[in-house]
Amino acid sequence: EAQVTQNPRYLITVTGKKLTVTCSQNMNHEYMSWYRQDPGLGLRQIYYSMNVEVTDKGDVPEGYKVSRKEKRNFPLILESPSPNQTSLYFCASSLEAPNTEAFFGQGTRLTVV
Amino acid sequence: KQEVTQIPAALSVPEGENLVLNCSFTDSAIYNLQWFRQDPGKGLTSLLLIQSSQREQTSGRLNASLDKSSGRSTLYIAASQPGDSATYLCAVTYNDMRFGAGTRLTVKP
Repeated sequence: EAQVTQNPRYLITVTGKKLTVTCSQNMNHEYMSWYRQDPGLGLRQIYYSMNVEVTDKGDVPEGYKVSRKEKRNFPLILESPSPNQTSLYFCASSLEAPNTEAFFGQGTRLTVV
Repeated sequence: KQEVTQIPAALSVPEGENLVLNCSFTDSAIYNLQWFRQDPGKGLTSLLLIQSSQREQTSGRLNASLDKSSGRSTLYIAASQPGDSATYLCAVTYNDMRFGAGTRLTVKP
């Protein structure tokens, strides 16, 4: 089944403790991206990747890192999480660039206390 | 900077009604526009994708139109059902994908 898989689905952590949210897609898509969704603000793009080893900042990259060492995986790294990073995070992929249909993961609800 | 607006923010209708959700965007330079459905606590499911060269797309009871020059798209849902209750998001893409805040739809039995 074609899908985008995120892990974990839920995570509660403390301020400053490094964490990684994984994202994997099995559709051989080139384009992958991360979003956060906050009430009243909608979805905002954090980082995106056009292909392996090519990543770029979205609208709200501060406090986040990503890597794209292989095509299928695009982990989101929070080196020192803060409470303002409490949010619902989504990973997405599309065949090429952002101009093809996007497929989303189920989301990761992160709480930083 | 591209701004995407969805009106209304929330909508409640009785079952069986036809309804229209609106999406507007400020920059007509887009590759495509996509409508998504989001159920509470779940991810986004793609409903319809309209390329910038297209005027509309249809899937079952859903019809989406695109008027790129005026920066508008509508999602028409025919014969609404309680199972259509969800939040509907539109997103426009160029170098990135920008979302509206969504319309929360409730269809009452």
